[in-house]
Amino acid sequence: EVQLVETGGGLIQPGGSLRLSCAASGFTVSSNYMSWVRQAPGKGLDWISAIYSGGTSYYADSVKGRFTISRDNSKNTLYLQMNSLRADDTAVYYCARGGFGTYFLSYWGQGTLVTVSS
Amino acid sequence: DIQMTQSPSTLSASVGDRVTITCRASQSISRWLAWYQQKPGKAPKLLIYDASSLESGVPSRFSGSVSGREYILTISSLQPDDFATYYCQQINTYPRTFGQGTKVEIK
Repeated sequence: EVQLVETGGGLIQPGGSLRLSCAASGFTVSSNYMSWVRQAPGKGLDWISAIYSGGTSYYADSVKGRFTISRDNSKNTLYLQMNSLRADDTAVYYCARGGFGTYFLSYWGQGTLVTVSS
Repeated sequence: DIQMTQSPSTLSASVGDRVTITCRASQSISRWLAWYQQKPGKAPKLLIYDASSLESGVPSRFSGSVSGREYILTISSLQPDDFATYYCQQINTYPRTFGQGTKVEIK
């Protein structure tokens, strides 16, 4: 069974850094298309980053240069390194996996809340 | 960036109603469109991919269609479990943009 479990969220001051983890089971992270999507409180879904099995990654303009997506094959875990955090980065962050042979997001974690506030 | 304009933002309907939600893409996205359902406090759930393909395990009352750059999600007979917020997403180009969402409420 495919499972995704995000951790690492919490309260952080503006300008700070945080690393989110997405531990996967039931499949190999490095062989799949993975993505991060966030949702600010009471707002809609906001795509922020993706990484292909080959390693190519993409970012939304709002996080480019501040956030980095990566993975650890030995831990079968996806990461999102978030630097220079701002109040408008406050959101629930979800990791998600593409479906079999597709880039549509078929599997999602439960999300982890990041609150950026002084 | 490709803009996905979703309408309506809120929809009030009764159990048994036929419901349609529309997403219009600002540029051509072929069939690279998905529909998701999200309930409060939960992660989104994929319903439809490739504009009209039903994800495994999703009830057949959900269907997707496309006409030009207009994409439609139809719920043929609304059930109590379907009251939720629905989002479209294009995966034709980066950034992968979502529509603003449609909240389906009980009438």
